Amino acid sequence: GQQLNQSPQSMFIQEGEDVSMNCTSSSIFNTWLWYKQDPGEGPVLLIALYKAGELTSNGRLTAQFGITRKDSFLNISASIPSDVGIYFCAGLPRYGTYKYIFGTGTRLKVLA
Amino acid sequence: DVKVTQSSRYLVKRTGEKVFLECVQDMDHENMFWYRQDPGLGLRLIYFSYDVKMKEKGDIPEGYSVSREKKERFSLILESASTNQTSMYLCASRPTDRFGPYNEQFFGPGTRLTVL
Repeated sequence: GQQLNQSPQSMFIQEGEDVSMNCTSSSIFNTWLWYKQDPGEGPVLLIALYKAGELTSNGRLTAQFGITRKDSFLNISASIPSDVGIYFCAGLPRYGTYKYIFGTGTRLKVLA
Repeated sequence: DVKVTQSSRYLVKRTGEKVFLECVQDMDHENMFWYRQDPGLGLRLIYFSYDVKMKEKGDIPEGYSVSREKKERFSLILESASTNQTSMYLCASRPTDRFGPYNEQFFGPGTRLTVL
């Protein structure tokens, strides 16, 4: 099935650094979701975005719905060791569609 | 808080066995989904249900069936388990979007199934 392009695929960062990742598509989406998944666990919803240009925060996390509606960004500020995990995006092409399209994931490793 | 629970975190079954994976959500969501997640392949949709007794095939339905007799419960059935069905299985639910653009999809903790 279709997957969204997510970058970077993986990143090592130092504790305290800020992190940025993004998700891009060739088509328009009406909703963007960002998840974090720890090893062996189910994905946990971090942020939901519904309008082009929308900027939403959840603690140290901030996500934006791209103005073209074809991309979304997630930033993590002042990273800590428990931020380790896989982050992935999900986009819903249009209302009334059941199927989310998922990103390929960004694996984040934080060095203490 | 939305809660999606799955009946088992880990399962080990033998080839040819019939396997039932159960999922329950407590938020009165209309839509429920079953995915499998494999390294390098991401999340792949097996089946989904948009109402009681209603189901639709996802991208990889072969070898699976589902049942939704009650709104809160969605079961995935492997009629005759095979080794290539060893995977992480994730259930998810979300409300319908007819009342607005609120489409958060929530996942359960996952079931790691090993078929020997």
